[in-house]
Formats: sequence, structure tokens, C-alpha cells
Amino acid sequence: QVQLQESGPGLVKPSETLSLTCAVSGYSISSGYYWGWIRQPPGKGLEWIGSIYHSGSTYYNPSLKSRVTISVDTSKNQFSLKLSSVTAADTAVYYCARDGGIRGYNYWGQGTLVTVSS
Amino acid sequence: SYELTQPPSVSVSPGQTARITCSGDALPKQYAYWYQQKPGQAPVLVIYKDSERPSGIPERFSGSSSGTTVTLTISGVQAEDEADYYCQSADSSGTFVVFGGGTKLTVL
Repeated sequence: QVQLQESGPGLVKPSETLSLTCAVSGYSISSGYYWGWIRQPPGKGLEWIGSIYHSGSTYYNPSLKSRVTISVDTSKNQFSLKLSSVTAADTAVYYCARDGGIRGYNYWGQGTLVTVSS
Repeated sequence: SYELTQPPSVSVSPGQTARITCSGDALPKQYAYWYQQKPGQAPVLVIYKDSERPSGIPERFSGSSSGTTVTLTISGVQAEDEADYYCQSADSSGTFVVFGGGTKLTVL
């Protein structure tokens, strides 16, 4: 069974960089698929942040592209998100998920709340 | 930027049929996906490739596509189906993932 688990600070100061990691178990990232980050501000809808392939190829939401970096560490079977220059608008539950291609996002982490506040 | 449009809310009585629509210009070219999200939980995929149902999803969930609109249909709605539902697809190039704004399904 594929499982994903997000980890990282729950509180980040404005203008700093948000950093999260998604640990994958039950499947080797090196075997394929894209792996993505999706966020959800409190009481609002889902927003795609970006995706990465095991080779390191990335796609980012154009509205966030200037601030986002997604990387992968196949040796640790995990991938990471960095979002720079955060503001209160970046406060959200951040999910990592496996993009199953035509099968959709079929595996999700439980999500982690990140609050941007001084 | 590309957008998918969903109604904010849909209400049905138990046992009735709920239909949730999602509109977008690229939907004739790109597959659509539907996710169910209950409070405090991660989204769950209920439909992929417009109309396919993942294993473990009840048969009362179905999907269809017509032109620039896709529809999630829940037949014989049960109280446990009350949730937010999100459609998801990609832009016309297939590069960027997009989610609809979500529809809150209320079971009266």
C-alpha cells in the first residue's frame, strides 16, 4: 500500500521560506509517476502547486512559479517543497500526492497545516 | 489562466440523484477527475478518466462528459455522501493541473 507523509514546521514567519518534505513508503519514487504538492487555505478550495518526476523534471503552477522549488531525493524515497517569501496568504494545509497519470491523484498524504505568522 | 467552474452548492434528499457539473474549455481534450473531501480529511479520488471508478468506490458514483462540461452523478445519495467535491483536469497543453472551486453537497 502506497503511503505518503508530510513533515515540516507548522509555523513560518512572513518573508521566510516554507519547507516541507513528503516521505513515500510502499512504492519507490524511482519506479515512475509524477509526485505533486497541493494546498488548501482554511475554508477554501484546492490549489495545485507543482509536480516532479523521479528524474527531476518539474512543472509549477504559473501563479507560484517564481517562489516554488520542488526537488526529489530518490535515495531517501522522498520529495520536498520550498516556497519562498511567504505571506499570510500562503497559510494552508499542504498535501503531497502521487499523480497516477490518467488514473489521477490516487494517493494522498494526510496533509499538514502551515501557518504564516510572526 | 485556465479555470474549471463548479456550482458552489448542491442539495438533495436521501435516495435522490445528485449531479455536480464542472465546465472548462479544455475538457474536450483533457480527462477529468473527481475528488470527495470530508471535513478534516484528505481528498479521495472517486472518478478518473472522466468516467472510470477506482476500486473501492461505490457503484452509485459515476462520471460523464459532454463537450466542455463533465458531470459527477451520485445515484441513491446517502447521508455519508455529504462532502465537498472537486473536479480536476489540465490545461489544453496538458502541462498544468487545475482544480475546480469545489461543490458542497448537502444531504437534506
